[in-house]
Amino acid sequence: QQPVQSPQAVILREGEDAVINCSSSKALYSVHWYRQKHGEAPVFLMILLKGGEQKGHDKISASFNEKKQQSSLYLTASQLSYSGTYFCGTEGSGGSNYKLTFGKGTLLTVNP
Amino acid sequence: DAGVTQSPTHLIKTRGQQVTLRCSPKSGHDTVSWYQQALGQGPQFIFQYYEEEERQRGNFPDRFSGHQFPNYSSELNVNALLLGDSALYLCASSLVVGGGETQYFGPGTRLLVL
Repeated sequence: QQPVQSPQAVILREGEDAVINCSSSKALYSVHWYRQKHGEAPVFLMILLKGGEQKGHDKISASFNEKKQQSSLYLTASQLSYSGTYFCGTEGSGGSNYKLTFGKGTLLTVNP
Repeated sequence: DAGVTQSPTHLIKTRGQQVTLRCSPKSGHDTVSWYQQALGQGPQFIFQYYEEEERQRGNFPDRFSGHQFPNYSSELNVNALLLGDSALYLCASSLVVGGGETQYFGPGTRLLVL
């Protein structure tokens, strides 16, 4: 089941904050966040594991509500380089790492 | 430390032809996953290879097949190409320890089927 991301798109001015949400209908073991710029590969940002462990980027934070199967990515004091499409990828409960199921993405545009 | 590499970067084929895409994983990684990304969509899981065997498969027809070599590199083969196979094909590598390991993506191969 594909996770649902919201919003679909957001436009910011440099320095503003943004929150991107990812919601799944199934029990999750982990949530992975990636940023993809046009014509490039997705770049790993953050992984959140069941039980609360987080690994990732210094300037980006995220939360994972295991009971609600929801994750949020927090981008603070946005920079021009934050522009791109953000994807959440979910791994089902059991932690097999066999596959990630990605949402449709959130397009973030940061303007000067 | 070399990241994930893929070849070729771009490919143009006609309907009915066959194509082979290649991937070398990040140094130290033993698992390779393949994804298809259509324009404006998130990546879709095709299959994953570990210890030279297909470990799990997504919802893709048998026209999509793969292989992993002893050096952990991998190939994705697509037979009888359809127009709908046009997409960016991404390879991701990881080191399987347990669940929740990070997958690192390569730059992708953009396939256009005419």
